[in-house]
Amino acid sequence: QSVLTQPPSASGTPGQRVTLSCSGSSPNIGSNTVNWYQQLPGTAPKLLVYSNNLRPSGVPDRFSGSKSGTSASLAISGLQSEDEADYYCATWDDSLNGWVFGGGTKLTVL
Amino acid sequence: QVQLVQSGAEVKKPGSSVKVSCKASGGTFNNYAINWVRQAPGQGLEWMGRITPIFGTPNYARKFQGRVTIIADESTNTAYMELSSLRSEDTAVFFCARDSPTVVDGAFDIWGQGTMVTVSS
Repeated sequence: QSVLTQPPSASGTPGQRVTLSCSGSSPNIGSNTVNWYQQLPGTAPKLLVYSNNLRPSGVPDRFSGSKSGTSASLAISGLQSEDEADYYCATWDDSLNGWVFGGGTKLTVL
Repeated sequence: QVQLVQSGAEVKKPGSSVKVSCKASGGTFNNYAINWVRQAPGQGLEWMGRITPIFGTPNYARKFQGRVTIIADESTNTAYMELSSLRSEDTAVFFCARDSPTVVDGAFDIWGQGTMVTVSS
């Protein structure tokens, strides 16, 4: 099982807003910033949000991240069919001295 | 713009080793870490370890310690990940990923295309 906990699946309809959660603990999310990655089927992951709430150039502002305590969230507004993908949260873990990922959430656009 | 280009798919026998390469094209990788991430079929992402070429000393995830070796060749801008004592559960896609030199807290901003390693007798 993953150090960070994500729900295995989520869904929404086009135009809707969905929020994906990521739960951790003190040595990881509680002490470090969170990144989010999007992985489309058959492709490499792509950095979507870094340092809790910053977006790399080219990522639409429909994607937004937040963090509170030992949990983090990724919100997607104006859901589109091309958002159908797996989403992973990640952070550094001070106890493990390494990067840890969530198990991923598969987002389905109905 | 830096791209990471990985070596091709491999088929290995149980108990053997595999060495996957990751070459940085369009730039050098002296000043940032290269990470290795494993993804078993239908599963999530798992960090294996990293190396920052200018420092040279890798650090490994506890799970893979003793079985993984990560090195970097600055002369060819290439990083390598070798995994030994392969078992069927190691069948996976292996990705290399750059740790962004501009994100203070770290983030994997450029990824290789992935290398499929199949372990089968």
